[in-house]
Amino acid sequence: GAVVSQHPSWVICKSGTSVKIECRSLDFQATTMFWYRQFPKQSLMLMATSNEGSKATYEQGVEKDKFLINHASLTLSTLTVTSAHPEDSSFYICSARGGGVSTDTQYFGPGTRLTVL
Amino acid sequence: GNSVTQMEGPVTLSEEAFLTINCTYTATGYPSLFWYVQYPGEGLQLLLKATKADDKGSNKGFEATYRKETTSFHLEKGSVQVSDSAVYFCALRQAGGGNKLTFGTGTQLKVEL
Repeated sequence: GAVVSQHPSWVICKSGTSVKIECRSLDFQATTMFWYRQFPKQSLMLMATSNEGSKATYEQGVEKDKFLINHASLTLSTLTVTSAHPEDSSFYICSARGGGVSTDTQYFGPGTRLTVL
Repeated sequence: GNSVTQMEGPVTLSEEAFLTINCTYTATGYPSLFWYVQYPGEGLQLLLKATKADDKGSNKGFEATYRKETTSFHLEKGSVQVSDSAVYFCALRQAGGGNKLTFGTGTQLKVEL
């Protein structure tokens, strides 16, 4: 149980285009979803936290107008990288946390590799 | 701010060897500490955790003890298997900091026959 999927697993796009990445909780309702970014040989960096039905909370230094996050349902969150540039190339990982007082574990998706040409 | 430092990899071991992956942290108060494992092509999975000083987390033969005096949470396993080959991430969650996790850079473990 507690499976999180991401789609696509990898994407290549041209500079200036927008890319949408989906994160789905397959067998539980995710009240909170998190988006991370990972550069090679570096740790996962939290970009933003989103709660279903409300605006995402972005970490310091993350441009909210560039990385649009939507958490419209309890099983789906999307990250849209707008006007992507080569420096946005990275590995993007989402995680989801279920509801309930005792459920504090984050379940992670397999990640999406974004390459901007 | 909070930070987690892990030993660099890759770590290459023969099957049945003893494993130690070092992890030290910097944080205020008493954070919760975690080890996550990422198998090839899969998402990170929680391996074990400890929420207070001197606690020992354990799972699948892996152990880690929360050492407040040395701010460490080293991962150990007495006898590794080829199936343990993966990337291991140490992480902390600040006390009272919601669900925000701070990760180390990850250590790749390769176990050979």
